[in-house]
Amino acid sequence: DIQMTQSPSSLSASVGDRVTITCRASQSISSYLNWYQQKPGKAPNLLIYAASSLQSGVPSRFSGSGSGTDFTLTISSLQPEDFATYYCQQTYSTPWTFGQGTKVEIK
Amino acid sequence: QVQLVQSGAEVKKPGASVKVSCRAAGYTFTRYHMHWVRQAPGQGLEWMGIINPSGGSTSYAQKFQGRLTMTRDTSTSTVYMELSSLRSEDTAVYYCARVIEEDYSGRYYYYMDVWGKGTTVTVSS
Repeated sequence: DIQMTQSPSSLSASVGDRVTITCRASQSISSYLNWYQQKPGKAPNLLIYAASSLQSGVPSRFSGSGSGTDFTLTISSLQPEDFATYYCQQTYSTPWTFGQGTKVEIK
Repeated sequence: QVQLVQSGAEVKKPGASVKVSCRAAGYTFTRYHMHWVRQAPGQGLEWMGIINPSGGSTSYAQKFQGRLTMTRDTSTSTVYMELSSLRSEDTAVYYCARVIEEDYSGRYYYYMDVWGKGTTVTVSS
């Protein structure tokens, strides 16, 4: 199975900050990488697919980059509604695996 | 609009089975594969498996082999996830999710664009 490792596991940031979350795959997954946002008690919500494509309806402050084994999710200017947990997911091969999550908290 | 409607919370004893339903609405049921993902309390997301609603073919994560069965009913646009021999570690929220397959110049990318609200399954004696 492909292991996905996110860093950091949690971070504290202020509204307006630029936030970067990293996801590393245990082997090359090309661009088969998605990012999801999850708020407490809610289902995950797709943000980015194919490493860098913004899902329809998602604010443009979210962006994704990377290929191979190293990927990044960036929030250019953190908004109050962005405080949540973020997960990366590889769909290169089954079982599709998720990172352990990065919790973004208010500083 | 496109939505996935899941069945209600379940409480089961160890060793029992649970069957969770996920009814699709607002799109052609047989056009998109459906996946199941679970999340134990305070934990991350775990992929369980996939069903093709068109032909009914399935693929399961190795850790669930022998305990997991996914089926579908095209007449009601519903997929089912049944997990048997339940143990306390199966206590989790179970989600169904529709998967989009997108063709970028011959390369197919997959992502979960619509999710159900989740079904809480509690396994306790």
